[in-house]
Amino acid sequence: AQKITQTQPGMFVQEKEAVTLDCTYDTSDPSYGLFWYKQPSSGEMIFLIYQGSYDQQNATEGRYSLNFQKARKSANLVISASQLGDSAMYFCAMRDREYGNKLVFGAGTILRVKS
Amino acid sequence: DGGITQSPKYLFRKEGQNVTLSCEQNLNHDAMYWYRQDPGQGLRLIYYSQIVNDFQKGDIAEGYSVSREKKESFPLTVTSAQKNPTAFYLCASMGQGGANVLTFGAGSRLTVL
Repeated sequence: AQKITQTQPGMFVQEKEAVTLDCTYDTSDPSYGLFWYKQPSSGEMIFLIYQGSYDQQNATEGRYSLNFQKARKSANLVISASQLGDSAMYFCAMRDREYGNKLVFGAGTILRVKS
Repeated sequence: DGGITQSPKYLFRKEGQNVTLSCEQNLNHDAMYWYRQDPGQGLRLIYYSQIVNDFQKGDIAEGYSVSREKKESFPLTVTSAQKNPTAFYLCASMGQGGANVLTFGAGSRLTVL
C-alpha cells in the first residue's frame, strides 16, 4: 500500500525567501503520481503541482517546483519568493491505482510566512 | 464556471441523528470521492465511485453511506452508527486521462452537539 510521510509539522519562512517542504513516499507500484495541495484556513484544497514517476524533469508551476529524487523516494515542494498568502497547510499525496485512483495523503505541514 | 458544490458549509447535529451532505459537480467527471479530515491531520478516504450506480468503501467507511444515482451527484450520509462524526468533510472528483488531478469542493464542517 502507498504511504506518504511529511516529517515537518510546522515551518516558518521569511517573506521573499525560499522554503522546502519535505515529502517521502513508499510504493511498490512502478508507475505512480505525486501531488501537492495547499489548504488555506478556509478549508478548500488547491492543487499546486504534479510529478509523474516517469517524468524526466522536475515539475515546475510558477513559484512552485518539485524536487523529485526517485532513488530516495522523495518529492519535496520548493516555494520560491514566499508571500504572506502562502501561509497555509500543505499536503503531499500519491495516487493509488489499486483503489480507483484515490489519493493517499500525508499528515501535512503548516507553513507560516513572516513579514 | 465548472466546479464542485458542497452543502451545507456548516452543520450541527444531535447525537443519534442521521445527516446527509450534498456534493454536486458540473465537470462531467466520472469518479467522485468523499474524504474526512480531522484537526491537524491528513485526509482519509470514506467512499468513492467510479461510475454511476457503483461505489466502493474506502479506508473508514463504517458509519457512512453513499449513493450515486446521477453522474453529477454523490451525497454522503453520516449515520448514527458513526462513533465520532465531528469532522471536516471534503468531496472531490476526477476526470479521465492526464494527471488525474483531484478537484475538491469547499468542504462541509459537521459538529455533533
